[in-house]
Amino acid sequence: QAVVTQEPSFSVSPGGTITLTCGLTSGSVSPSYYPSWYQQTPGQTPRTLIYNTNTRSSGVPNRFSGSILGNRAALTITGAQADDDSYYYCVLFMGSGAVMFGGGTKLTVL
Amino acid sequence: QVQLVQSGSELKKPGASVKLSCKASGYTFTTYTINWIRQAPGQGLEWMGWINTNTGNPIYAPGFTGRFVFSLDTSVTTAYLQISSLKAADTAIYYCARGPQYSSTWYIDYWGQGALVTVSS
Repeated sequence: QAVVTQEPSFSVSPGGTITLTCGLTSGSVSPSYYPSWYQQTPGQTPRTLIYNTNTRSSGVPNRFSGSILGNRAALTITGAQADDDSYYYCVLFMGSGAVMFGGGTKLTVL
Repeated sequence: QVQLVQSGSELKKPGASVKLSCKASGYTFTTYTINWIRQAPGQGLEWMGWINTNTGNPIYAPGFTGRFVFSLDTSVTTAYLQISSLKAADTAIYYCARGPQYSSTWYIDYWGQGALVTVSS
């Protein structure tokens, strides 16, 4: 069974741009996997950022954007802010009712 | 406004059972799925499955069959997660979360606040 992969960690300077990605151990990620992205600060409830590849959830600032880059789903943060220092989880809809979370990326803003 | 309010923390002994609730409000309960998601201490998020709130049909992720049961009481717009034969490895925060129903897509748009289950002798 394919596994959803994410970079374990990334760092970005305040004001910088960062792209986190989400792949599969076998195969390519396409819009048919309906990739979605969630942000979680330790001790807090997850927050929905992006769904259906590139649709921002209500209230999410437009500096968060989603896309497909090559064979991976991508979350780009433009103009990183201190409170973007969080974990980011990608989720893929594998079909047949199966959903898989990636292991998460720890983003450090410093 | 849409809200998912979960029951409180639970401390259980190994072998016991626990039933968590997720009270939905602010929308028509039977038009969205309820998903359950687990987060073990210091670990990532893990999808446990969902329940169709119109039909009551559950879908369980691999690894969450047998001891885990999703159920509903639509009269009080509440979803439940029951875990039996609890093990220390079940210690985690359990989230309920709303998703689209009768759709080709999957995502979460609203999350419950989470319920911590601690299994310890």
